[in-house]
Amino acid sequence: DIQMTQSPSSLSASVGDRVTITCRASQSISIHLNWYQHKPGKAPKLLIYAASSLQSGVPSRFSGSGSGTDFTLTISSLQPEDFATYYCQQSYSTLFTFGQGTKLEIK
Amino acid sequence: EVQLLESGGGLVEPGGSLRLSCEISGFTFSSYAMSWVRQAPGKGLEWVSGISSSGGATNYADSVKGRFTISRDNSKSTLSLQMNSLRAEDTAMYYCAKVPRGSLIRGINFDYWGQGTLVTVSS
Repeated sequence: DIQMTQSPSSLSASVGDRVTITCRASQSISIHLNWYQHKPGKAPKLLIYAASSLQSGVPSRFSGSGSGTDFTLTISSLQPEDFATYYCQQSYSTLFTFGQGTKLEIK
Repeated sequence: EVQLLESGGGLVEPGGSLRLSCEISGFTFSSYAMSWVRQAPGKGLEWVSGISSSGGATNYADSVKGRFTISRDNSKSTLSLQMNSLRAEDTAMYYCAKVPRGSLIRGINFDYWGQGTLVTVSS
């Protein structure tokens, strides 16, 4: 199976900060990398697909980049509603795997 | 509006069985592949199983292969997960998720999710 490793596991930031979360795959996955936002008690939400494509309806402050094994999710200016847990997920292999998550907390 | 509503969770003893359902509305169910994803308490997301739009192709995580069976009834817009030989480590919130393609192929994503149903395996 392809292993996905996110860093950091948790992050404290303030409203208005620029935040970057990284995700590393255990082998090359081309651009087959998706990002999700998950809040407690809510359905996970697709933010970015194919490494850098913004899902419809997602604010433009979210962006993704990378290819091969290294990927990043950037939030350009944190808003109060962005505090959540973020997951990367590879779809290069059809045994789909997620990263362990990055919990973004208010400083 | 796309809606996915899971049901069927509950408390079950180790070795027992449970059947989860996911009722779909707001899109043409028969056109899209579907998946189940779970989250154990305090843990991250784990993909469990997927099924193609026709139901003709399925796949499973190694952790559930041989114990869980995914199926769908396109006439009733319903996705199911039959879980047998349940273990304590299967305790989790189970989410159904829509795939924006008809097949489980390289490059897909999960574009809509339900809010989950909780399965607890304990004696």
